[in-house]
Amino acid sequence: EVHLVESGGGLVKPGGSLRLSCAASGFSFNAYSMNWVRQAPGKGLEWVSSISSSGTSIYYADSVKGRFTVSRDNAKNSLNLQMNSLRVDDSAVYYCARDGDQTSVTTWFLHWGQGTLVTVSS
Amino acid sequence: QLVLTQSPSASASLGASVKLTCTLSSGHSTYAIAWHQQQPEQGPRFLMKLNSGGNYLRGEGIPDRFSGSSSGAERYLTITSLQSEDEAEYYCQTWGVGTVVFGEGTKLTVL
Repeated sequence: EVHLVESGGGLVKPGGSLRLSCAASGFSFNAYSMNWVRQAPGKGLEWVSSISSSGTSIYYADSVKGRFTVSRDNAKNSLNLQMNSLRVDDSAVYYCARDGDQTSVTTWFLHWGQGTLVTVSS
Repeated sequence: QLVLTQSPSASASLGASVKLTCTLSSGHSTYAIAWHQQQPEQGPRFLMKLNSGGNYLRGEGIPDRFSGSSSGAERYLTITSLQSEDEAEYYCQTWGVGTVVFGEGTKLTVL
């Protein structure tokens, strides 16, 4: 059974940094692209970033480009999101998600984690 | 620009059927989508992948009360025999090279 467990969320001041992690199990982690999606309080889902199975292809939403960095450690079955220069509007629950197939880096999401809450506030 | 449009809300009675719509932006009518369900205070759950021909692939454990269909740029999610636990937010998702897009979601109320 596929499990995705996010961690690392918390309260941080504007301009600060935070590093999120997603521990994956139940599948061949190194065979699938992985993704981060966020959801601000009371709002809809917003795609944040995608990373290919090897980590060589990476994409970001314009709203986080230049501030967030996605990475993965296939030896540890772990997906990471380094968030710098955080803003109040980055406050959200951050979900990691696994792709449904292996046809491309960006595709449909088959498995979701339960999310970790990031609050950016002074 | 790749955009998905959903109605903000829908409602139907217990035991009835409902059809939710997701509309692809102009020039993107051949794109496949995925439907996801998000129950209150929970993470999203994949329901199905749906292509432009109306062929769909349900996720594991998703009951056959959930089905998909397509017409032009519109993608539909039909839920029959509505149950109280179907009350949730429903999001459509699509993707292109280097991008993923979500619709704004439809909040389904089961009366």
